Amino acid sequence: NAGVTQTPKFRILKIGQSMTLQCTQDMNHNYMYWYRQDPGMGLKLIYYSVGAGITDKGEVPNGYNVSRSTTEDFPLRLELAAPSQTSVYFCASSIYGTGTSLRYEQYFGPGTRLTVT
Amino acid sequence: DQQVKQNSPSLSVQEGRISILNCDYTNSMFDYFLWYKKYPAEGPTFLISISSIKDKNEDGRFTVFLNKSAKHLSLHIVPSQPGDSAVYFCAASRDTGNQFYFGTGTSLTVIP
Repeated sequence: NAGVTQTPKFRILKIGQSMTLQCTQDMNHNYMYWYRQDPGMGLKLIYYSVGAGITDKGEVPNGYNVSRSTTEDFPLRLELAAPSQTSVYFCASSIYGTGTSLRYEQYFGPGTRLTVT
Repeated sequence: DQQVKQNSPSLSVQEGRISILNCDYTNSMFDYFLWYKKYPAEGPTFLISISSIKDKNEDGRFTVFLNKSAKHLSLHIVPSQPGDSAVYFCAASRDTGNQFYFGTGTSLTVIP
């Protein structure tokens, strides 16, 4: 049981390049999330998904896209990288979302450190 | 607009003493709160949670207190151990929507 895995661990992009951050969970969780953490800041939600085929924007979605074709995978796409996207990106999953009467914690991956220069 | 605030960026405590980490929130609709612990180069891991119907929840050395009227929660660690040295985040959610709002974190150092 690997939990939530993310690849790559580190990446340096040039301005304007694109890339996909991969996220996979093996816990059969319905809910998956992408966060970014800037230095000295808390985690900000980028996008989330409540199940395969369903995604929605979080607090800071501009410059990113997501898809959820399977329960296990939730890739995050950066189309035109900008220096403002330099951050650490965390993927998370949970069995239930916050909008239900059952609240469960989120399980986080180890993060991807992205630098855009 | 930071809806969850941790005003102390860092805290140092002697081993064996109590560590108290504080968190304030502004949204009165929040009704579920969590604490996460984060080591360097790792993702956050869940520590303890509390629902707004309670004012205290304990799990071993960790206790979370909630004061709804003050919109304040705190995490007590007793006794503190060197392995507790990490960054602690509080997070809050409401019963509608699908988002946790995170504080900026407090870096705890437990001195042996």
